[in-house]
Amino acid sequence: NAGVMQNPRHLVRRRGQEARLRCSPMKGHSHVYWYRQLPEEGLKFMVYLQKENIIDESGMPKERFSAEFPKEGPSILRIQQVVRGDSAAYFCASSPGITINYNSPLHFGNGTRLTVT
Amino acid sequence: RKEVEQDPGPFNVPEGATVAFNCTYSNSASQSFFWYRQDCRKEPKLLMSVYSSGNEDGRFTAQLNRASQYISLLIRDSKLSDSATYLCVVNILALEYGNKLVFGAGTILRVKS
Repeated sequence: NAGVMQNPRHLVRRRGQEARLRCSPMKGHSHVYWYRQLPEEGLKFMVYLQKENIIDESGMPKERFSAEFPKEGPSILRIQQVVRGDSAAYFCASSPGITINYNSPLHFGNGTRLTVT
Repeated sequence: RKEVEQDPGPFNVPEGATVAFNCTYSNSASQSFFWYRQDCRKEPKLLMSVYSSGNEDGRFTAQLNRASQYISLLIRDSKLSDSATYLCVVNILALEYGNKLVFGAGTILRVKS
């Protein structure tokens, strides 16, 4: 029973390139959350998606960032025209449904470390 | 004001010591509460949930005070392996969005021999 799978583990991009980060939720989970952790900072919520729907994108930067969770396949976080300030660890988590509680807490993937040179 | 606030530390303690971390949250619509642990920039891992009545798991005790909007974590008999960043996490339920976990910035614990 695999956990949340993220790939790649490490991603290096030059300024101006595109970064695509993938997240496969746990089996049976249809809700995905993306968080970003800048160096020396805590996790910041970015976006919450259900299959084929963006539920809450209040934490997404207004430009260059987008996310999707198609009916088939992993969730993708896409960053266009990356800048040095995008260098961070990006974590994905999944849940089976809309409710997060003591019986159904969030579990995280091992993250993608993006480095922009 | 931040939604979840923690003392960043670091807390430097000797092995065997008892150490306590505090966390405050600002949103009274917060539904559930957790402590996560994060090692060396790895993924956060659930340490324990925090119940209104308080709960204990081995050397770890968590307390919640809804009236004061305050959460605590107590670690007894600290081990070297307890060295990590401890994240206070609050689940806010918004009718239009469902759940959103909000993380504190974390408290660094260093246990020394």
